Amino acid sequence: EAQVTQNPRYLITVTGKKLTVTCSQNMNHEYMSWYRQDPGLGLRQIYYSMNVEVTDKGDVPEGYKVSRKEKRNFPLILESPSPNQTSLYFCASSRDRAETQYFGPGTRLLVL
Amino acid sequence: KQEVTQIPAALSVPEGENLVLNCSFTDSAIYNLQWFRQDPGKGLTSLLLIQSSQREQTSGRLNASLDKSSGRSTLYIAASQPGDSATYLCAVSGPTSGTYKYIFGTGTRLKVLA
Repeated sequence: EAQVTQNPRYLITVTGKKLTVTCSQNMNHEYMSWYRQDPGLGLRQIYYSMNVEVTDKGDVPEGYKVSRKEKRNFPLILESPSPNQTSLYFCASSRDRAETQYFGPGTRLLVL
Repeated sequence: KQEVTQIPAALSVPEGENLVLNCSFTDSAIYNLQWFRQDPGKGLTSLLLIQSSQREQTSGRLNASLDKSSGRSTLYIAASQPGDSATYLCAVSGPTSGTYKYIFGTGTRLKVLA
């Protein structure tokens, strides 16, 4: 089954404790992206990747890092999480940047 | 800077009505526009993708149109059903600020009453 998976689905952590949210797709897609969704602000793009080793900032990249060492994986790293990073995070992928995006189920993060 | 607006923010209609959801964007230099559906607590499901060279796309009871020159798209839902209740989001991609970003609207929350 074609899908985008994210882990973990729910995470509670404390300020400053490094964490990684994994994202994997099995559709051989080139384009992958991370978003955060906050009430009243909608979805905002954090980072995206056009292909392996090619990443670029979205609208809200501060406090986040990404890497794209393999085509299927695109982890989101929070080196020192802060409470304002409490949010619902989505990973998405598409064949290329101009094609239909497929979204993962989301990761709900609470930073205390 | 590209901005995407969806009006209304919420909509409640009786079952069977035909309805139109609106999406407007400020920068007409887009690659495509995509409509999504999001159910509470769930991820997004793509409904329709319109490339910049296209005027409309159809899937079942859904029809999406695109007018780049006026910066508008509409999603038409025919014969609405309670199962259509969800939040509908539009997103545009394009070379804003020299990069290939996706910008989302804040959505229209639709409730179809049985």
